[in-house]
Amino acid sequence: QVQLVQSGAEVKKPGSSVKVSCKASGGTLSSYTISWVRQAPGQGLEWMGRIILILGIPNYAQDFQGRVTITADKSTSTAYMELSSLRSDDTAVYYCARDRGDGMDVWGQGTTVTVSS
Amino acid sequence: DIQLTQSPSFLSASVGDRVTLTCRASQGISSYLAWYQQKPGKAPKLLIYGASTLQSGVPSRFSGSGSGTEFTLTISSLQPEDFATYYCQQVNNYPLTFGGGTKVEIK
Repeated sequence: QVQLVQSGAEVKKPGSSVKVSCKASGGTLSSYTISWVRQAPGQGLEWMGRIILILGIPNYAQDFQGRVTITADKSTSTAYMELSSLRSDDTAVYYCARDRGDGMDVWGQGTTVTVSS
Repeated sequence: DIQLTQSPSFLSASVGDRVTLTCRASQGISSYLAWYQQKPGKAPKLLIYGASTLQSGVPSRFSGSGSGTEFTLTISSLQPEDFATYYCQQVNNYPLTFGGGTKVEIK
């Protein structure tokens, strides 16, 4: 049973970048799609983008276009999400999830990113 | 983008109650809808996909129905562990979008 293990919490300054990792354990990611979803404090879920691992092709939500980069290293079964030009309203929990196309059935534990001066 | 509107936003119910949550899409999405349960401090958990198919391991008291623009998630007999926030998600078009959530609390 594959599990997704994310990197630890980050505190960043406004204008900087953050890179969150998502590593598969107990299996491989190579045949899957990984989506990234974030959740601001007390708010709902927001899809940021995805990467089809076998193709290495990312798609991004328009709201994040130009600021987010999703990549993956198939050799280590690790996906990455980098968000640049951070603002205070980027403070959120960031999740990776295995995206089957009909739903997201395996989720990482979440990574808290705090943007504060 | 497809907007999903969930109602109610908040629901107070008792153990054993039958509860129905609604999700309306701004345009038709066939049956390309998933439901998730989220508890505080935890990642969402997939309950239903394809509008009505129960994810493996999810108790049978959960059921989903609907197609097009109107969908429901029903919990036939609410259990203590079901008090959580529920989100719908459309997987018909990119960008994928989620509803605003329904929080189910203990009466």
